[in-house]
Amino acid sequence: DAGVTQSPTHLIKTRGQQVTLRCSPKSGHDTVSWYQQALGQGPQFIFQYYEEEERQRGNFPDRFSGHQFPNYSSELNVNALLLGDSALYLCASNLGLAVRDTQYFGPGTRLTVL
Amino acid sequence: GDSVTQMEGPVTLSEEAFLTINCTYTATGYPSLFWYVQYPGEGLQLLLKATKADDKGSNKGFEATYRKETTSFHLEKGSVQVSDSAVYFCALASGAGSYQLTFGKGTKLSVIP
Repeated sequence: DAGVTQSPTHLIKTRGQQVTLRCSPKSGHDTVSWYQQALGQGPQFIFQYYEEEERQRGNFPDRFSGHQFPNYSSELNVNALLLGDSALYLCASNLGLAVRDTQYFGPGTRLTVL
Repeated sequence: GDSVTQMEGPVTLSEEAFLTINCTYTATGYPSLFWYVQYPGEGLQLLLKATKADDKGSNKGFEATYRKETTSFHLEKGSVQVSDSAVYFCALASGAGSYQLTFGKGTKLSVIP
């Protein structure tokens, strides 16, 4: 049973560039959420995708955008990168909209902005 | 808004010592509560959860009881091992149709032989 997978593992970008991160949910899951985890902090919710639509969004600027594909996989795009965007980006999946049951997390993508 | 407060780390214990990591929360409605663990260089793994008041979540020797009256969900283990060294996160999902997890800042645990 494949768990949540993310690519790439690591990424280095410079300020002002754009980046795309990818996530495949756990088998049988249809909902994908993205979180940003700064060094030494807990994850912060970015947004959630279900049925190819953004269903809820955390306190992140419009530079952060996403997409969900018909096979439930998802992308996170960040434009005009800032130094402060350096973080571990985690993807989580679950079945259905609510997360009161369990969200399963991927290993994350480590983004470094220079 | 929703928030989770965890005890400050890092916590260093000797093997076989008793572990408590405190977690309190503020939330609307009746949240579900979770403990996640993050090993070095990895993503988050669900350790245990509780979905209603007085529920006790347990896994791998870890336990936590959902205390609505004190808005707490403290993590405990009777005898820690070196392999328990990791960062532990308390989290909640509040209300019906809760789409996101709200996390604490994490507590780093180091267990020495």
